Amino acid sequence: DQQVKQNSPSLSVQEGRISILNCDYTNSMFDYFLWYKKYPAEGPTFLISISSIKDKNEDGRFTVFLNKSAKHLSLHIVPSQPGDSAVYFCAARSTGSARQLTFGSGTQLTVLP
Amino acid sequence: EAGVTQFPSHSVIEKGQTVTLRCDPISGHDNLYWYRRVMGKEIKFLLHFVKESKQDESGMPNNRFLAERTGGTYSTLKVQPAELEDSGVYFCASSQELALNEQFFGPGTRLTVL
Repeated sequence: DQQVKQNSPSLSVQEGRISILNCDYTNSMFDYFLWYKKYPAEGPTFLISISSIKDKNEDGRFTVFLNKSAKHLSLHIVPSQPGDSAVYFCAARSTGSARQLTFGSGTQLTVLP
Repeated sequence: EAGVTQFPSHSVIEKGQTVTLRCDPISGHDNLYWYRRVMGKEIKFLLHFVKESKQDESGMPNNRFLAERTGGTYSTLKVQPAELEDSGVYFCASSQELALNEQFFGPGTRLTVL
């Protein structure tokens, strides 16, 4: 059973508007969450992360929000740019684990010019 | 600084054959991980090395898969004999000891078993 779920396989947004990518998790032991971006034929690239002791982390156009009670996190990109078009993976790590990351299945974001 | 490199980028083999994938982590990174993405699904953890030692191999599918990291530098992942369900993209990632949360990924090896 998937512990990290990204229920939207794809999302299209107009350039300049906000992109919101969502992620849900089931494992209460997860204490650190990451977003990775992946272009075709490349490996995932780290984008932004958040610790479970925070509810928001911002880095330029990218903001990640964490709602622990709902076991939900989201990535906001504003303003969206065509170069942001990629597959976005949500990942989580649990306390005491051997640092392995548990990934969602990804969301394909397309930013339309 | 060179990133994580993987070889080959693509491999097409027949069922029953053997394939060996190689990963060169970022220099100085003690932690090395193997992951696999099958059929556009989630990226799944296979195993984790700290230097030359296997720290966690709980994600390895079965004993047809063998990973090594002799000398604590590059790593190999051998599949023998390969089955159809082994097809997918195999990613390697590495991280520094002091920055455990962020893992740097290689471009992956796309394995197709016919």
